[in-house]
Amino acid sequence: GAVVSQHPSWVICKSGTSVKIECRSLDFQATTMFWYRQFPKQSLMLMATSNEGSKATYEQGVEKDKFLINHASLTLSTLTVTSAHPEDSSFYICSARVAGISTDTQYFGPGTRLTVL
Amino acid sequence: GNSVTQMEGPVTLSEEAFLTINCTYTATGYPSLFWYVQYPGEGLQLLLKATKADDKGSNKGFEATYRKETTSFHLEKGSVQVSDSAVYFCALAPSGGYNKLIFGAGTRLAVHP
Repeated sequence: GAVVSQHPSWVICKSGTSVKIECRSLDFQATTMFWYRQFPKQSLMLMATSNEGSKATYEQGVEKDKFLINHASLTLSTLTVTSAHPEDSSFYICSARVAGISTDTQYFGPGTRLTVL
Repeated sequence: GNSVTQMEGPVTLSEEAFLTINCTYTATGYPSLFWYVQYPGEGLQLLLKATKADDKGSNKGFEATYRKETTSFHLEKGSVQVSDSAVYFCALAPSGGYNKLIFGAGTRLAVHP
């Protein structure tokens, strides 16, 4: 089946530094990828929709200058948390959408746990 | 607005017990409804879905029926196995667009031998 990977799986960084998280579709191409954030014991919250070759669409309340999204190819999207602070500590999950004539499915990555000290 | 509410966990069951995880939703129009499962260390996987009222989604012995009158999509399985231990997420896609999935908080299921 379709596999989505994320790298790194976990990262610890100091406050004020930037962290890049990669999301790759390993055996398929995805024109659309999504980035979610999950707090402990809470729902996944959609942060932004990333379309290959165009600017990401951010959900209301998500700072686009803080969470930079780049979708440079049909198999790779990156999320950069700029000038990270402890309140940015969270579990970040990406997904890749496959849409065709008879199917429309999102495949999820395993997530990246970010801890900002 | 659109939202999903599912029962809090953890749910702890013995093997072969009957499972129900409740899920209710609030949405305008006619959303599609989903159950996703997340096994330890893995990404969310689509378990089953239903796209219109009275549809029943089923997979791997799990079932859920889209009940518009009660705005519910409860997940059931007649006989759980240890391998079913995971976190289960109920989700909806608002009518007109699969792009935006709205998730419930997730319910952890632990099945003991």
